Amino acid sequence: KNQVEQSPQSLIILEGKNCTLQCNYTVSPFSNLRWYKQDTGRGPVSLTIMTFSENTKSNGRYTATLDADTKQSSLHITASQLSDSASYICVVSDRGSTLGRLYFGRGTQLTVWP
Amino acid sequence: EADIYQTPRYLVIGTGKKITLECSQTMGHDKMYWYQQDPGMELHLIHYSYGVNSTEKGDLSSESTVSRIRTEHFPLTLESARPSHTSQYLCASSDPTATGANVLTFGAGSRLTVL
Repeated sequence: KNQVEQSPQSLIILEGKNCTLQCNYTVSPFSNLRWYKQDTGRGPVSLTIMTFSENTKSNGRYTATLDADTKQSSLHITASQLSDSASYICVVSDRGSTLGRLYFGRGTQLTVWP
Repeated sequence: EADIYQTPRYLVIGTGKKITLECSQTMGHDKMYWYQQDPGMELHLIHYSYGVNSTEKGDLSSESTVSRIRTEHFPLTLESARPSHTSQYLCASSDPTATGANVLTFGAGSRLTVL
């Protein structure tokens, strides 16, 4: 069964600190992996997308890594800000169809305290 | 800012009422989707469309229906709402990127409460 597991389920950090969120997946065949940020009461917004050949990608203070061999990804947030408080969702796409079926994790709820 | 709009943002209705959640996008995307999201849970695909006059059911069984008469418009309708339909409904659209990956652009969501 194709699954996407995220950890931790929730995380509280102080403003200015760094943190790393984890995503493990069993989706096969693998096409790409995306990280989304979802603010409370809003729709998810794409942060990064990585294909099989990419092992790191940055978007400002966000850096995503991908290890396709171990089927693990991480999202590192540097110098956290209050506006980083949100749910971070890992999404994996397979290559089984032209639509590219998407498998969603349940998200990590990040809270940044001042 | 995403160019995909959902209305209403919040809706509280009684059991048995018919409701339509509106979704419009101005990006000219062919593919559109409806997802259902409950707190702390993953998004579940309930409907999708490849283009005009194309609609398909998703992974999660849903009593809702959709239509795609125009590229930019993908409304979702519940003929008779029940408390079990209480949820957040997210509309999304996509177009293949240069890598062939479909990156979704989401609307802000419609939070439905059925009493």
